[in-house]
Amino acid sequence: ILNVEQSPQSLHVQEGDSTNFTCSFPSSNFYALHWYRWETAKSPEALFVMTLNGDEKKKGRISATLNTKEGYSYLYIKGSQPDDSATYLCAFMGYNNNDMRFGAGTRLTVKP
Amino acid sequence: DVKVTQSSRYLVKRTGEKVFLECVQDMDHENMFWYRQDPGLGLRLIYFSYDVKMKEKGDIPEGYSVSREKKERFSLILESASTNQTSMYLCASSKRGTGELFFGEGSRLTVL
Repeated sequence: ILNVEQSPQSLHVQEGDSTNFTCSFPSSNFYALHWYRWETAKSPEALFVMTLNGDEKKKGRISATLNTKEGYSYLYIKGSQPDDSATYLCAFMGYNNNDMRFGAGTRLTVKP
Repeated sequence: DVKVTQSSRYLVKRTGEKVFLECVQDMDHENMFWYRQDPGLGLRLIYFSYDVKMKEKGDIPEGYSVSREKKERFSLILESASTNQTSMYLCASSKRGTGELFFGEGSRLTVL
Protein backbone atom coordinates (compact mmCIF):
# COMPACT_ATOMS: atom_id res chain seq x y z
CA ILE A 1 0.00 0.00 0.00
CA LEU A 2 1.40 3.39 -0.98
CA ASN A 3 1.67 5.89 1.86
CA VAL A 4 0.36 9.33 1.12
CA GLU A 5 0.38 11.44 4.24
CA GLN A 6 -1.05 14.86 4.91
CA SER A 7 -0.44 17.23 7.78
CA PRO A 8 -1.88 18.71 9.79
CA GLN A 9 -5.03 16.61 10.14
CA SER A 10 -7.05 19.72 10.95
CA LEU A 11 -6.49 23.43 11.14
CA HIS A 12 -8.49 26.34 12.53
CA VAL A 13 -7.54 29.84 11.38
CA GLN A 14 -9.03 33.31 11.50
CA GLU A 15 -10.34 35.06 8.42
CA GLY A 16 -7.45 36.84 6.73
CA ASP A 17 -4.76 34.43 7.97
CA SER A 18 -2.53 32.70 5.45
CA THR A 19 -2.00 29.00 5.88
CA ASN A 20 -0.31 26.00 4.33
CA PHE A 21 -0.51 22.22 4.46
CA THR A 22 1.78 19.40 3.47
CA CYS A 23 1.37 16.25 1.41
CA SER A 24 4.15 13.65 1.39
CA PHE A 25 4.27 10.76 -1.04
CA PRO A 26 6.66 8.09 -2.34
CA SER A 27 9.44 9.79 -4.29
CA SER A 28 9.99 6.79 -6.55
CA ASN A 29 7.65 5.85 -9.37
CA PHE A 30 6.11 9.34 -9.45
CA TYR A 31 3.73 10.25 -12.25
CA ALA A 32 1.42 12.98 -10.93
CA LEU A 33 0.18 14.67 -7.78
CA HIS A 34 -3.33 16.06 -7.49
CA TRP A 35 -4.93 18.43 -4.98
CA TYR A 36 -8.68 18.35 -4.38
CA ARG A 37 -11.00 20.49 -2.33
CA TRP A 38 -13.94 18.77 -0.65
CA GLU A 39 -16.70 20.87 0.85
CA THR A 40 -19.26 19.32 3.15
CA ALA A 41 -22.22 17.77 1.28
CA LYS A 42 -20.50 18.22 -2.10
CA SER A 43 -18.19 16.12 -4.29
CA PRO A 44 -14.41 16.62 -4.23
CA GLU A 45 -13.27 19.00 -6.97
CA ALA A 46 -9.82 19.21 -8.49
CA LEU A 47 -7.65 22.22 -7.66
CA PHE A 48 -4.35 21.26 -9.29
CA VAL A 49 -2.73 18.47 -11.26
CA MET A 50 1.06 18.62 -10.96
CA THR A 51 3.58 16.53 -12.84
CA LEU A 52 6.97 18.26 -12.96
CA ASN A 53 9.50 18.64 -10.18
CA GLY A 54 9.59 22.28 -9.13
CA ASP A 55 6.12 22.91 -10.55
CA GLU A 56 4.18 25.80 -9.02
CA LYS A 57 0.50 26.29 -9.74
CA LYS A 58 -1.83 29.08 -8.72
CA LYS A 59 -5.58 29.62 -8.72
CA GLY A 60 -6.61 32.91 -7.15
CA ARG A 61 -5.46 32.91 -3.52
CA ILE A 62 -4.50 29.22 -3.57
CA SER A 63 -1.16 27.95 -4.82
CA ALA A 64 0.80 24.70 -4.69
CA THR A 65 4.39 23.58 -5.10
CA LEU A 66 5.85 20.20 -5.91
CA ASN A 67 9.12 18.48 -5.03
CA THR A 68 9.19 15.01 -6.58
CA LYS A 69 12.78 14.24 -5.56
CA GLU A 70 12.00 14.45 -1.86
CA GLY A 71 8.35 13.50 -2.19
CA TYR A 72 6.33 16.45 -0.92
CA SER A 73 3.90 19.11 -2.04
CA TYR A 74 2.68 22.22 -0.23
CA LEU A 75 -0.69 23.90 -0.62
CA TYR A 76 -0.87 27.57 0.37
CA ILE A 77 -3.94 29.70 0.97
CA LYS A 78 -3.36 33.44 1.19
CA GLY A 79 -5.83 35.56 3.18
CA SER A 80 -8.19 32.71 4.16
CA GLN A 81 -11.92 33.29 3.83
CA PRO A 82 -14.76 31.36 5.54
CA ASP A 83 -15.66 29.92 2.10
CA ASP A 84 -12.23 28.24 2.06
CA SER A 85 -13.44 25.95 4.85
CA ALA A 86 -13.22 22.43 3.43
CA THR A 87 -11.14 19.28 3.50
CA TYR A 88 -8.12 19.47 1.20
CA LEU A 89 -7.00 16.15 -0.23
CA CYS A 90 -3.88 15.25 -2.10
CA ALA A 91 -3.64 12.19 -4.33
CA PHE A 92 -0.58 10.42 -5.70
CA MET A 93 -0.52 8.76 -9.08
CA GLY A 94 2.21 6.20 -9.65
CA TYR A 95 3.85 5.44 -12.94
CA ASN A 96 1.39 2.76 -13.99
CA ASN A 97 -0.95 5.81 -14.05
CA ASN A 98 -4.13 3.86 -13.68
CA ASP A 99 -4.70 4.21 -9.97
CA MET A 100 -4.80 7.10 -7.54
CA ARG A 101 -4.06 6.97 -3.81
CA PHE A 102 -5.32 9.67 -1.47
CA GLY A 103 -4.05 11.08 1.78
CA ALA A 104 -6.43 11.39 4.73
CA GLY A 105 -6.87 15.10 4.11
CA THR A 106 -6.46 18.35 6.01
CA ARG A 107 -9.69 19.78 7.35
CA LEU A 108 -9.54 23.58 7.30
CA THR A 109 -11.96 25.75 9.26
CA VAL A 110 -11.79 29.51 8.73
CA LYS A 111 -13.54 31.54 11.41
CA PRO A 112 -15.04 34.93 10.49
CA ASP B 1 -22.29 19.91 -17.91
CA VAL B 2 -20.13 16.83 -17.37
CA LYS B 3 -21.31 14.39 -14.80
CA VAL B 4 -20.68 11.34 -12.70
CA THR B 5 -23.94 9.99 -11.37
CA GLN B 6 -24.31 7.53 -8.54
CA SER B 7 -27.58 5.66 -8.37
CA SER B 8 -28.44 6.15 -4.71
CA ARG B 9 -27.50 8.87 -2.26
CA TYR B 10 -28.65 6.94 0.80
CA LEU B 11 -29.20 3.23 1.32
CA VAL B 12 -30.04 1.15 4.36
CA LYS B 13 -29.49 -2.59 4.07
CA ARG B 14 -29.45 -5.56 6.38
CA THR B 15 -26.47 -7.79 7.13
CA GLY B 16 -26.17 -10.49 4.48
CA GLU B 17 -28.04 -8.61 1.77
CA LYS B 18 -26.53 -8.18 -1.69
CA VAL B 19 -25.95 -4.52 -2.51
CA PHE B 20 -25.38 -2.89 -5.90
CA LEU B 21 -23.97 0.60 -6.21
CA GLU B 22 -24.14 1.97 -9.73
CA CYS B 23 -22.03 4.72 -11.25
CA VAL B 24 -22.42 6.27 -14.70
CA GLN B 25 -20.24 8.91 -16.35
CA ASP B 26 -20.95 10.86 -19.53
CA MET B 27 -17.41 12.03 -20.34
CA ASP B 28 -16.16 9.00 -22.28
CA HIS B 29 -13.48 8.46 -19.62
CA GLU B 30 -11.37 5.32 -19.73
CA ASN B 31 -10.68 5.12 -15.99
CA MET B 32 -13.26 4.60 -13.28
CA PHE B 33 -12.74 4.19 -9.55
CA TRP B 34 -14.59 3.20 -6.40
CA TYR B 35 -13.48 4.65 -3.07
CA ARG B 36 -14.85 4.50 0.41
CA GLN B 37 -14.49 7.35 2.85
CA ASP B 38 -14.36 6.85 6.59
CA PRO B 39 -13.57 9.49 9.23
CA GLY B 40 -9.83 9.94 9.73
CA LEU B 41 -8.96 7.52 6.93
CA GLY B 42 -9.52 9.64 3.86
CA LEU B 43 -10.47 8.04 0.57
CA ARG B 44 -9.43 4.40 0.28
CA LEU B 45 -9.37 2.75 -3.11
CA ILE B 46 -11.52 -0.37 -3.41
CA TYR B 47 -11.31 -1.18 -7.11
CA PHE B 48 -10.57 0.61 -10.33
CA SER B 49 -11.01 -0.08 -14.01
CA TYR B 50 -9.01 1.29 -16.93
CA ASP B 51 -11.10 -0.20 -19.70
CA VAL B 52 -14.29 -2.11 -20.36
CA LYS B 53 -14.24 -5.53 -18.69
CA MET B 54 -10.92 -4.70 -17.00
CA LYS B 55 -10.63 -4.35 -13.23
CA GLU B 56 -7.84 -4.00 -10.72
CA LYS B 57 -7.90 -4.37 -6.96
CA GLY B 58 -7.20 -1.33 -4.88
CA ASP B 59 -6.11 -1.28 -1.26
CA ILE B 60 -9.27 -2.75 0.32
CA PRO B 61 -11.02 -5.07 -2.17
CA GLU B 62 -12.08 -7.71 0.36
CA GLY B 63 -15.84 -8.12 0.51
CA TYR B 64 -16.38 -6.25 -2.75
CA SER B 65 -16.53 -7.02 -6.44
CA VAL B 66 -17.02 -4.80 -9.49
CA SER B 67 -18.40 -4.96 -12.98
CA ARG B 68 -17.62 -2.86 -16.05
CA GLU B 69 -19.60 -4.15 -19.00
CA LYS B 70 -19.90 -0.75 -20.69
CA LYS B 71 -17.43 2.12 -20.77
CA GLU B 72 -19.76 4.55 -19.05
CA ARG B 73 -20.88 2.29 -16.18
CA PHE B 74 -18.95 0.89 -13.23
CA SER B 75 -20.80 -1.08 -10.58
CA LEU B 76 -19.70 -1.94 -7.06
CA ILE B 77 -21.18 -5.10 -5.57
CA LEU B 78 -21.29 -6.17 -1.96
CA GLU B 79 -22.13 -9.88 -2.18
CA SER B 80 -23.10 -10.14 1.49
CA ALA B 81 -23.18 -6.82 3.26
CA SER B 82 -21.65 -6.56 6.71
CA THR B 83 -21.84 -3.82 9.33
CA ASN B 84 -18.17 -2.87 8.77
CA GLN B 85 -19.12 -1.87 5.23
CA THR B 86 -21.21 1.00 6.54
CA SER B 87 -19.52 3.95 4.87
CA MET B 88 -19.66 6.68 2.25
CA TYR B 89 -18.87 5.30 -1.22
CA LEU B 90 -17.55 7.61 -3.91
CA CYS B 91 -17.26 6.83 -7.60
CA ALA B 92 -14.89 8.79 -9.83
CA SER B 93 -13.75 8.79 -13.44
CA SER B 94 -10.80 10.22 -15.35
CA LYS B 95 -9.21 10.26 -18.76
CA ARG B 96 -6.22 8.00 -19.25
CA GLY B 97 -3.04 9.83 -18.28
CA THR B 98 -2.75 12.45 -15.57
CA GLY B 99 -6.35 13.59 -15.93
CA GLU B 100 -8.14 14.89 -12.90
CA LEU B 101 -10.79 12.80 -11.21
CA PHE B 102 -14.43 13.74 -11.49
CA PHE B 103 -16.48 12.50 -8.57
CA GLY B 104 -20.06 11.51 -8.05
CA GLU B 105 -22.01 12.87 -5.10
CA GLY B 106 -21.47 9.75 -3.04
CA SER B 107 -23.64 6.96 -1.71
CA ARG B 108 -24.01 6.68 2.03
CA LEU B 109 -24.60 3.04 2.91
CA THR B 110 -25.75 1.89 6.32
CA VAL B 111 -25.72 -1.84 7.04
CA LEU B 112 -27.79 -2.86 10.05
